[in-house]
Amino acid sequence: SYVLTQPPSVSVAPGQTARITCGGNNIGSKSVHWYQQKPGQAPVLVVYDDSDRPSGIPERFSGSNSGNTATLTISRVEAGDEADYYCQVWDSGYVFGTGTKVTVL
Amino acid sequence: EVQLVESGGGLVQPGGSLRLSCAASGFTFSSYDMHWVRQATGKGLEWVSAIGTAGDTYYPGSVKGRFTISRENAKNSLYLQMNSLRAGDTAVYYCARRVSTTSAFDIWGQGTMVTVSS
Repeated sequence: SYVLTQPPSVSVAPGQTARITCGGNNIGSKSVHWYQQKPGQAPVLVVYDDSDRPSGIPERFSGSNSGNTATLTISRVEAGDEADYYCQVWDSGYVFGTGTKVTVL
Repeated sequence: EVQLVESGGGLVQPGGSLRLSCAASGFTFSSYDMHWVRQATGKGLEWVSAIGTAGDTYYPGSVKGRFTISRENAKNSLYLQMNSLRAGDTAVYYCARRVSTTSAFDIWGQGTMVTVSS
């Protein structure tokens, strides 16, 4: 089965840029989606199809995908961005990444 | 407002059954594929089942043969019948709407907790 690997944690100072990677075999050939999940809440879609943003999601959230790595970039990080982030693709089923906890220092 | 509200979670013994429901509002329910996704406490997200607009169903190997997804468009409702439950099925269960043009989930419910324990 297809595996998506994310770093367990990323720490970033307010105002700086956070980059969260999602590794998978030839992931660049797939559409990657990203979710933000705050404690006790349901996931929220923040990026879909590699780099598109749903309405209401700030432009600070952006995505890219190439080769074996997809990346979610959060620019000008705010305290409210502290959350778990999951990548997701379709590969004979809906596959989620292992998740990354973003801590705002 | 587009909304999904799950219900039906609770405590069940191993080997038991439970039926989850998800009430949809604010959109044309019959036009969307719907899914169940679960999350064990402190763990990641796991896709559990899907049902298409035509009633076609899909499951991962971990629940195939034990779980059944269904929908009742007239009631804007989604269901998950869970049989032969195991301790490993303990999780928060979310219903989610799939974006019509891609494989992303754009609307999620708040989740309902299922605990399988004796």
